[in-house]
Amino acid sequence: GENVEQHPSTLSVQEGDSAVIKCTYSDSASNYFPWYKQELGKRPQLIIDIRSNVGEKKDQRIAVTLNKTAKHFSLHITETQPEDSAVYFCAAVSYSGGGADGLTFGKGTHLIIQP
Amino acid sequence: GAVVSQHPSWVICKSGTSVKIECRSLDFQATTMFWYRQFPKQSLMLMATSNEGSKATYEQGVEKDKFLINHASLTLSTLTVTSAHPEDSSFYICSADRRARGGEQFFGPGTRLTVL
Repeated sequence: GENVEQHPSTLSVQEGDSAVIKCTYSDSASNYFPWYKQELGKRPQLIIDIRSNVGEKKDQRIAVTLNKTAKHFSLHITETQPEDSAVYFCAAVSYSGGGADGLTFGKGTHLIIQP
Repeated sequence: GAVVSQHPSWVICKSGTSVKIECRSLDFQATTMFWYRQFPKQSLMLMATSNEGSKATYEQGVEKDKFLINHASLTLSTLTVTSAHPEDSSFYICSADRRARGGEQFFGPGTRLTVL
């Protein structure tokens, strides 16, 4: 099955600086890679996703890059703000027209934005 | 659109009792729903895949006789934790696959189960 590794487990950055979280996956069949932000006791919130037919996607301060050859993808947050503090999870899954498998999550990164 | 609800949001029960958790897709039909478990300060782990009208598929290490899943309609899946014990205390979250959204899954708000 799929295995997703996520680093770092904790990341502390100064407000206004950039944050980068990296993930690797093992299953070459995976073709959908979402990133989630989760606050304590809440459901995961999708913040950005990327499919295997593109290498980069950006949405305002958030971007994701994908390297299929190396099987890794990264989340980039620029101009960090205090409200960005949360736990972030990457995930990977194989999707086809017939539906998707369950998501395999990384272990999570606790992002701390220092004022 | 694509709203998933879960009920109850939290439950406290005595050891040995059974607890049922409902997951509903409110504005779309979900042929497939997924159940995840999240222990404190850990990641989400897939427990099982629930398919409407057929038996659920369980991940390795998840006891199918302990975690009963029923997907009786295109909008409802239930997870029953039978003979619950304190080690079953966790955050249980369901999600629904909406095929038109290319793999994107929609999560319910989760159920916090505490077994005394």
